[in-house]
Parts: sequence; structure tokens; C-alpha cells
Amino acid sequence: EAGVAQSPRYKIIEKRQSVAFWCNPISGHATLYWYQQILGQGPKLLIQFQNNGVVDDSQLPKDRFSAERLKGVDSTLKIQPAKLEDSAVYLCASSFGLGIADTQYFGPGTRLTVL
Amino acid sequence: DAKTTQPPSMDCAEGRAANLPCNHSTISGNEYVYWYRQIHSQGPQYIIHGLKNNETNEMASLIITEDRKSSTLILPHATLRDTAVYYCIVRVYNTDKLIFGTGTRLQVFP
Repeated sequence: EAGVAQSPRYKIIEKRQSVAFWCNPISGHATLYWYQQILGQGPKLLIQFQNNGVVDDSQLPKDRFSAERLKGVDSTLKIQPAKLEDSAVYLCASSFGLGIADTQYFGPGTRLTVL
Repeated sequence: DAKTTQPPSMDCAEGRAANLPCNHSTISGNEYVYWYRQIHSQGPQYIIHGLKNNETNEMASLIITEDRKSSTLILPHATLRDTAVYYCIVRVYNTDKLIFGTGTRLQVFP
């Protein structure tokens, strides 16, 4: 079974530039998550989708971050404009969306460095 | 904020059992305990979860105390490939939300 795919794996940009990350979840998974992981910390949830609708985006800095999942499958996360403190690993995860005993499966992440 | 407390680091000799403790004294009766691990430069990997009873799968065993205020993840025969950060997570009731803490860095040595 193919896992969660993410691209690119690495990205280096200068502050105030824009960047986009792509995620392809496991086939059949209705729920998709984006996490931010700063060095030395655990992942922090940014946004959760159920199919193509947003379930939770309370931790997403909406002045600069946006995410979409137009057809309920792939998703993109965008940062515009980037700040130095956005340097982190951005992780995508997916799950069947069956309820409280559901398991999230994570992709390898995209490491973003903002100079 | 994470509802769990874990030691920041632990060591274990290869071939021995690794016992990773976790305190979750404010856990509610219907909240699950999940364990994930993160090997360097990879995404977190699901290990096991439980509610009240002890659980075992091909990767590990999870022992939850009767009062549910703490748990222990057991890797029965640790290998060098088990070196990772291990996260104990209390899943927020009635949601899909996982709130990660800073985890325990397990170093398995030869």
C-alpha cells in the first residue's frame, strides 16, 4: 500500500517569498491533516480537512498561510509571504476519518528553510 | 497543550526491553492513549493505542495502569533501528486531534 506522498522534500527560500507544498494522501482516506514541526518540538496541527471541507483551522496563521483540498484528494499548503520563523518541517497526514479510534499516517515531510 | 509528561531521553542496550513511561494524570475516561515514534528525518509512525486494557501488536506492548493515569510502552527486544523520538499522546475526546508533546528520545546502543 502506498503511503502519504509529499513534495518537495526540501525547499530553501528567502523571507517574503512564497512557497507551496503538495500532499497526496493514502487512497481512500477522507481526512487530511497538515502539521508544522519546528526543530526540537513535536508536530503541531495547522489544519484538518474532511473530504474537501475544513474541520479545524484554528492554529493556521491565516494572514500568511492557506490550504486547499479542492477535489477531496490532493492538498496544497501555501505560505505567502514567508517569515524566518516559518522554518520547519511541514508534515501531511491522512486517515480514513472513521472516528475516535482512527489512525493517522504521516508522510515524510517537507523541510522548509527561510533565509 | 499536551496532556502527557515523558522523560526527555532514555538509553537501552540492543536486545534488551525498552520501557518508556508516560504520565497522563488528567486523562478522561473516554480518551485514548496513542504512541507514535519519529525516526530521524521521517514522519511520525503509528505504534499502538489503547483505552483501558493492555494492548500488544507486532511492534510493541502498551501497559495502562488501572487508574489510567500512566502507561508504559514496551519494545521487547530493542534494535538499533528503534532509535527514535517516542511520543505518548492522549487523543482529545470525540475528535481526531493529536496533540504532540516533546516526546522521549530513545537511544539504543550496541
